[in-house]
Amino acid sequence: AQSVTQPDIHITVSEGASLELRCNYSYGATPYLFWYVQSPGQGLQLLLKYFSGDTLVQGIKGFEAEFKRSQSSFNLRKPSVHWSDAAEYFCAVGYTGANNLFFGTGTRLTVIP
Amino acid sequence: KAGVTQTPRYLIKTRGQQVTLSCSPISGHRSVSWYQQTPGQGLQFLFEYFSETQRNKGNFPGRFSGRQFSNSRSEMNVSTLELGDSALYLCASSSGQGGYEQYFGPGTRLTVT
Repeated sequence: AQSVTQPDIHITVSEGASLELRCNYSYGATPYLFWYVQSPGQGLQLLLKYFSGDTLVQGIKGFEAEFKRSQSSFNLRKPSVHWSDAAEYFCAVGYTGANNLFFGTGTRLTVIP
Repeated sequence: KAGVTQTPRYLIKTRGQQVTLSCSPISGHRSVSWYQQTPGQGLQFLFEYFSETQRNKGNFPGRFSGRQFSNSRSEMNVSTLELGDSALYLCASSSGQGGYEQYFGPGTRLTVT
C-alpha cells in the first residue's frame, strides 16, 4: 500500500537559516511527488512537483526538492527561510491510474526572528 | 484563471442533519477530488469525479456522497451528521489526465454540534 512519511512533526528555524523537510514514500513504481504548503485556515498551495526527468525540481517561493529513488525520498529545501514561510508543509504521492493523492501527516514550520 | 472556489466557507450543523458542500474547479479542469482534513486523521481522500462519473473512492461510509455536473462543478453531501464529521473539507481540481497535479480550494470548515 502507498504511504508517505514525514518524520518531523514540528521544526523551528531562525529566519535566514536553511531548511530541509524530510519526506519518504512507499510505493513500487515511480510515483508522482508533490509538496504543498498550508497556512492556518487555508487550503493547500502547490509548491512543486516531480513527475520524471531531472531529480532536482524548483518550485515557487524559492523552494526546491530532490527525488532520490534509492532512498525513496523527496526532501524539500530552502537556502534561506523567511518569516512568511511559517506554515504547515505536506508531502504527497500520486500514481498512474488514479487521480487521488496520499498525504503525509505534515510538518509544522515555525520561524523565529 | 480563477482558482478553485468552495462554498460555503464555514458551516455549523447539528448531529443527525445533512449538509451539501459545493466546489467549482478551475476553468477547463474536468476532475474534482474531495478530501477531509482533521487533526487526528490528517488529509484523507474521499472521492474523485471526472466527466460526471465517480472514478475513484476512498474508505468512507456511504453517508458521504458526491456528484459532478456537466459544467464540472461538484457537490458533496454528508447525511446523518456525526460529531466526528467536523473537519475541513477540501476540494481539488485537476485536468484529470497526465501528471495529476491538483489545485486546492480554500476549504469548507464544517462544525457538527
